[in-house]
Amino acid sequence: GENVEQHPSTLSVQEGDSAVIKCTYSDSASNYFPWYKQELGKRPQLIIDIRSNVGEKKDQRIAVTLNKTAKHFSLHITETQPEDSAVYFCAARNSGGSNYKLTFGKGTLLTVNP
Amino acid sequence: DAGITQSPRHKVTETGTPVTLRCHQTENHRYMYWYRQDPGHGLRLIHYSYGVKDTDKGEVSDGYSVSRSKTEDFLLTLESATSSQTSVYFCAISESPSGRAAEQFFGPGTRLTVL
Repeated sequence: GENVEQHPSTLSVQEGDSAVIKCTYSDSASNYFPWYKQELGKRPQLIIDIRSNVGEKKDQRIAVTLNKTAKHFSLHITETQPEDSAVYFCAARNSGGSNYKLTFGKGTLLTVNP
Repeated sequence: DAGITQSPRHKVTETGTPVTLRCHQTENHRYMYWYRQDPGHGLRLIHYSYGVKDTDKGEVSDGYSVSRSKTEDFLLTLESATSSQTSVYFCAISESPSGRAAEQFFGPGTRLTVL
């Protein structure tokens, strides 16, 4: 089955700096890669996603890049703010056959220091 | 937040007792999922459903069963709870497994403690 590795497990940055979280996946048939943000005590919420026919996608201060050849994708947050502090999860989905399950990475705890 | 509720939100039980968690949605989404979240493990899929009475196993299904008799309800049952099943359980829904409607919306979670 699919295996998703996420790094780093913790990341601390100063307010205004950029943050980058990286994920690799094992199944070359995976074609959908969402990123979720989970604030302390809250539910995970989708912040951005990318499909395998696209190399990069941006939404204001966040962007995701995908390298299908290397089987890795990254989340970039620019001009970080204290409210960006949360756990971020990457995920990958293999749509082969009837298998539409998401496999998640183990998460990155991002702390933005004022 | 999408119309997803989970009950109970918190539960403490003893080893060996049966436990049922309920996920209820008002979005009429076809797909429903149960995940468990543990420190250092992220979100792991337990079971999922792709329609009424249609379910399949996820990566950590041992010790769990599910049922879906109505579109809006997806039940997760621990037949005989063990301490290793202490976790936070999230239900999620999606309209479709692929395409633009593939986003999974998560419920508020249930914190289960097995003593």
